[in-house]
Amino acid sequence: DVKVTQSSRYLVKRTGEKVFLECVQDMDHENMFWYRQDPGLGLRLIYFSYDVKMKEKGDIPEGYSVSREKKERFSLILESASTNQTSMYLCASTKVPGQGTDEQYFGPGTRLTVT
Amino acid sequence: GQNIDQPTEMTATEGAIVQINCTYQTSGFNGLFWYQQHAGEAPTFLSYNVLDGLEEKGRFSSFLSRSKGYSYLLLKELQMKDSASYLCAVMDSNYQLIWGAGTKLIIKP
Repeated sequence: DVKVTQSSRYLVKRTGEKVFLECVQDMDHENMFWYRQDPGLGLRLIYFSYDVKMKEKGDIPEGYSVSREKKERFSLILESASTNQTSMYLCASTKVPGQGTDEQYFGPGTRLTVT
Repeated sequence: GQNIDQPTEMTATEGAIVQINCTYQTSGFNGLFWYQQHAGEAPTFLSYNVLDGLEEKGRFSSFLSRSKGYSYLLLKELQMKDSASYLCAVMDSNYQLIWGAGTKLIIKP
């Protein structure tokens, strides 16, 4: 059974803290994604990666960075957390674009609150 | 710009049929996806359409018209467990997914 896991379901951090969100997939997928989801908005892409040590900015990369040192692991870093980064963060992975349905497999999400 | 439109919320009765519409304007088209997301959970894949027409999968069907930039998800014999948000997403020419805000479906007994 395919699986994407995220390090925490719920996280509370203070303004200015450095925050690490980790995502691991066991499907040997090349592509991994970080989204944030806010009420009334569609999923917004923060960063994605097509390969180890490779990263591309999504639609809203400001205030975030990522790391992909191993194929199965994709980390999202909030360098200095701010209250407007309070959100649900979803990690996803997929094989290779354009092959079959290329559905994205999502992790359970991390609900981050910055106070 | 790229845009996906779907209704914010819909209400239907258990046992009935409901159709959730999605219209899109994107840079190119490499398929349209429907995902289901229960409250507090991750989205899960429901269907994929890349050619015009209807795809049926049990109680759920998805329709696509590329010329009209339009899709719908049809849910039959509604059950209480179908209460969820339904997300429409289009893969553009760069193989990036553009997501709609989702339609919250409320099922009443």
